[in-house]
Amino acid sequence: GQQLNQSPQSMFIQEGEDVSMNCTSSSIFNTWLWYKQEPGEGPVLLIALYKAGELTSNGRLTAQFGITRKDSFLNISASIPSDVGIYFCAGQLKGGGADGLTFGKGTHLIIQP
Amino acid sequence: SAVISQKPSRDICQRGTSLTIQCQVDSQVTMMFWYRQQPGQSLTLIATANQGSEATYESGFVIDKFPISRPNLTFSTLTVSNMSPEDSSIYLCSVERGGGRSNEQFFGPGTRLTVL
Repeated sequence: GQQLNQSPQSMFIQEGEDVSMNCTSSSIFNTWLWYKQEPGEGPVLLIALYKAGELTSNGRLTAQFGITRKDSFLNISASIPSDVGIYFCAGQLKGGGADGLTFGKGTHLIIQP
Repeated sequence: SAVISQKPSRDICQRGTSLTIQCQVDSQVTMMFWYRQQPGQSLTLIATANQGSEATYESGFVIDKFPISRPNLTFSTLTVSNMSPEDSSIYLCSVERGGGRSNEQFFGPGTRLTVL
C-alpha cells in the first residue's frame, strides 16, 4: 500500500520560531490535508490542498501541494504555545473506492518557553 | 466543518467481549469512515461505511472482527468483536463534507478503548 514519510518526527523549538515539516509519498495523491491533534481529541483539519503546486495559507500556517503530487509541506510562522501538538499529513487518491486517507506518522511539536 | 459525536468516549473491556461504538453527525453526509489509532501511532483506515450496502474494508481488517452498520446518512456503528489487548486503541469516525473539489474529512473526538 501507499506509505507517507513525514519528517521531522519531533521538533523542540523556542516560542516565536518558524516551523517547517514535510511529507513525501511513494505514489501520487490528488488531495493533501494537514491535521493537528491534541491529547484526548480527534484530529482537526488545518489546511486542504487540491492542486499540484497550490500554496494555501490559514493564518500563520502555510502549506503547499508539491508539483510531483508526491509531497507536501507545512510551515508555521512565529510559533506560540498553543501550537503544541501532533501534526499529521494525510493524502487522498479520490475515486475508485480509495476515498479514505493515508496518514503520515506525525510530527510532535514542542515549544520551550 | 461538521459536528461529530462518538459514544462511548472511553471504555475498559474484558478480553473476549465486544464493544459497539456509535458515530453521529449533525447533518447528512455521503462518506463516513472508521480509523484506528494505536497508542502513540498514526491513524489507519479500517473501512469505509457505505449507506445501504456493506462496508468496504482495508487490507488487514475483516468484517467478522469489525462489523460496521450505516443505517442512514447521519449515523454509523463500529463493533470491535472478540477483543484482545492488541485491540486497545483510539477508534475514530470521520465524515467527508462537500462535493466536487472539496474532499475535506472531519473527525470525531474518538473512543479510547482499553482491553484487559
